[in-house]
Amino acid sequence: GENVEQHPSTLSVQEGDSAVIKCTYSDSASNYFPWYKQELGKRPQLIIDIRSNVGEKKDQRIAVTLNKTAKHFSLHITETQPEDSAVYFCAASSGNTPLVFGKGTRLSVIA
Amino acid sequence: NAGVTQTPKFRVLKTGQSMTLLCAQDMNHEYMYWYRQDPGMGLRLIHYSVGEGTTAKGEVPDGYNVSRLKKQNFLLGLESAAPSQTSVYFCASSYFSLYEQYFGPGTRLTVT
Repeated sequence: GENVEQHPSTLSVQEGDSAVIKCTYSDSASNYFPWYKQELGKRPQLIIDIRSNVGEKKDQRIAVTLNKTAKHFSLHITETQPEDSAVYFCAASSGNTPLVFGKGTRLSVIA
Repeated sequence: NAGVTQTPKFRVLKTGQSMTLLCAQDMNHEYMYWYRQDPGMGLRLIHYSVGEGTTAKGEVPDGYNVSRLKKQNFLLGLESAAPSQTSVYFCASSYFSLYEQYFGPGTRLTVT
């Protein structure tokens, strides 16, 4: 089955700097790659997703890139702000099987 | 719309006791899921359902049972709770498999 690995497990950045979180997946049939953000004590919420027919997607300060050949995808946050502090989860699915989540990255933005 | 709701929010059980967690969604979603979240382990799928009357095992199904008698509800049962089941449980729903999952607020369960 699918295996998703996420790095780093913790990340600290200065406010205004960029943050990058990387994930690799094992199932070449996977074609849907969402990212969820979970603030402390809250539920996970989708922030951006990408499907295998595109290589990059942007939404304001957030972007996701996908390299299907290498089977990895990354989340990029630019101009980080304190409210970006949270745990971020990547996930992958082929549609025939449920989403498999990475173990999460705790991002701390230091003011 | 309430979205996805979970009952109860907190619960403390003694080893061997049983309980049922209720998840309800009002978005007419076909798919529903139960996850557990433990520190450093991410979100692990317990069971899921692809439609009313269906259930399937996820990554960590042992010790849990589920039922989906109505499209809007997905129940998670623990027949004989164990300390290893201490966790935060999240329910989620989605329109279909490759669509956004909407999560409930979570249930914090402690088994002593």
